[in-house]
Amino acid sequence: QSALTQPPSASGSPGQSVTISCTGTSSDVGGYNHVSWYQQHPGKAPKLMIYDVSTRPSGVPDRFSGSKSGNTASLTVSGLQAEDEADYYCSSYAGSSKHVLFGGGTELTVL
Amino acid sequence: QLQLQESGPGLVKPSQTLSLTCTVSGGSIDTDIYYWGWIRQPPGRGLEWIGSIYYTGSTYYNPSLNSRVTISADTSKNQFSLKLSSVTAADTAVYYCARLKEEYSSTWFPSFFDYWGQGTLVTVSS
Repeated sequence: QSALTQPPSASGSPGQSVTISCTGTSSDVGGYNHVSWYQQHPGKAPKLMIYDVSTRPSGVPDRFSGSKSGNTASLTVSGLQAEDEADYYCSSYAGSSKHVLFGGGTELTVL
Repeated sequence: QLQLQESGPGLVKPSQTLSLTCTVSGGSIDTDIYYWGWIRQPPGRGLEWIGSIYYTGSTYYNPSLNSRVTISADTSKNQFSLKLSSVTAADTAVYYCARLKEEYSSTWFPSFFDYWGQGTLVTVSS
């Protein structure tokens, strides 16, 4: 079981959209719809932003959306705001024995 | 509102055992469809799932840590605990406890962590 692959960084200007990818294999991301995304501000605990590939928990702005194609899941942040600047992590069921995988994280910068 | 709080020593000597407890309030750990997990984050690095436990005692561990990890639960205290043996400097990290929801689609799958503790920094150093 290897960590999911995310780009180390992404950026966009206020109001723009940015998409962060999360690549796994057919045994994890590609095989199940149990992909979630977390936002983490410095010194804070991660916060659930998306689950089941594309479902937003109550209270998460609809500027955040998720999707999946094949072995790659994506998080899109539309209408970027300064407060969106944070680290983002994807997670997926690992495909065996109720194990969980995380991605390496993407640092999102709002220019 | 569910709350989780990690507690335990912030400094552990190399080769010793790291022990942390997560106290859950605002809800019970002996609830169906929820697992309780430990996740860690070394300074400046990403998240790593350590393992999860169901209130019945079923446990699942990261294969990379499996030989050193033990997670247990005490439903009478509404707590679950982590023990990591033979620690080295590489185990220095912020340790988080979190609630993991299971979902059913042909069988039960771990799906997402919806509530997290604030995290506690554990440093391994002599």
